[in-house]
Amino acid sequence: NAGVTQTPKFQVLKTGQSMTLQCAQDMNHNSMYWYRQDPGMGLRLIYYSASEGTTDKGEVPNGYNVSRLNKREFSLRLESAAPSQTSVYFCASSDGGWGFTYEQYFGPGTRLTVT
Amino acid sequence: AQKITQTQPGMFVQEKEAVTLDCTYDTSDPSYGLFWYKQPSSGEMIFLIYQGSYDQQNATEGRYSLNFQKARKSANLVISASQLGDSAMYFCAMREGLGTGANNLFFGTGTRLTVIP
Repeated sequence: NAGVTQTPKFQVLKTGQSMTLQCAQDMNHNSMYWYRQDPGMGLRLIYYSASEGTTDKGEVPNGYNVSRLNKREFSLRLESAAPSQTSVYFCASSDGGWGFTYEQYFGPGTRLTVT
Repeated sequence: AQKITQTQPGMFVQEKEAVTLDCTYDTSDPSYGLFWYKQPSSGEMIFLIYQGSYDQQNATEGRYSLNFQKARKSANLVISASQLGDSAMYFCAMREGLGTGANNLFFGTGTRLTVIP
């Protein structure tokens, strides 16, 4: 099993450009997440999808959109990139059953720089 | 208010010694879960250990144990017999609530642990 995969690994954008970060998981998890990690800060939730067909905003959703394409795939789109969106982006997935024992499994991250 | 606070930006420990990484949390929900993740320099996030708010005993996973003090709202990670490979960033995280669906995590700012040979 590959677990959680993300593409691309690195990306440089100019201000105003758009791009989509791709994420896929092969663990048959119901829930998927997008986080960003900035220097000196922990991970902050951008958007999440509790199950196929649903998406919800997290702590820092402004400037982003998401699509839960199917159970496996969850993409993050930057419509008009800004330097403040320079960050490392992590996708994660977990089982979404009752209870809170389900740890999240993370992808390797995408390092995005906006100039 | 911060939901997760990690007050130690950096810690050093001698190889083979034990080290405690501090984590305090803030929630009014009686049902919650606490997680610790390790992030080595390669960047991936690795799950280490979990503690539920209703668990009576402190969680242990190999060399990792969680010192859970509910009244003080602290969930410190103890690493015993430190190894050079333990050098990494360590994040404490919390999920609130027991409902079905996504288990959104709130992360602390992390502690960078350096193991000295």
